[in-house]
Amino acid sequence: DIVMTQSPDSLAVSLGERATINCRSSQSVLYSSNNKNSLAWYQQKPGQPPKLLIYWASTRESGVPDRFSGSGSGTDFTLTISSLQAEDVAVYYCQQYYSALSFGQGTKVEIK
Amino acid sequence: EVQLVESGGGLVKPGGSLRLSCAASGFTFSAAWMSWVRQAPGTGLEWVARIKSKTDGGTTDYAAPVKGRFTISRDDSKTTLYLQMNSLKTEDTAVYYCATEFHGSLNYWGQGALVTVSS
Repeated sequence: DIVMTQSPDSLAVSLGERATINCRSSQSVLYSSNNKNSLAWYQQKPGQPPKLLIYWASTRESGVPDRFSGSGSGTDFTLTISSLQAEDVAVYYCQQYYSALSFGQGTKVEIK
Repeated sequence: EVQLVESGGGLVKPGGSLRLSCAASGFTFSAAWMSWVRQAPGTGLEWVARIKSKTDGGTTDYAAPVKGRFTISRDDSKTTLYLQMNSLKTEDTAVYYCATEFHGSLNYWGQGALVTVSS
């Protein structure tokens, strides 16, 4: 099973500042057949289901603001919120789909 | 508009059984891969099970904690996904979400159904 580990568990960022969340997989999630990383990012606000933000590690889902970006390859990935807005307060999860599915433990983003 | 509506949650005693349903609309259900994901109170997301479309073999996969106890199935004629949960344990208490899979990422989610396992 592929284990996903996020860091930090929580972070507080000032409005307008950059937020960076890291995700590491216990083995590479790079598909050699299409040279794409099987990694997604989700945002979950209290009382709501998760919302898909990013798939294939760096492709934004339709309608997701461009302040959200994903990067990385192999085993190390990053979600960046370039300019934190109040509505971005949430828990963020990474998820691999290289072998079945598994999630990271989540990172809580708050306003400083 | 894609809609996923879970039902069948409730309170059940340890060792008991429960069947969740997820009624789908707004997309071609028969072509979709579907998953169940759960979230225990105050904790993170845990993938539970997946079923592929019949054209892709209709095969199923399970997370280790539920393998042998839970069964995922689908009725394409009713556009409904199911999760049969047997031998329930207190640690199965969670909100259970159904979701559509798009190349492995989960792009549409239901609002969830609460399952509480307690004596």
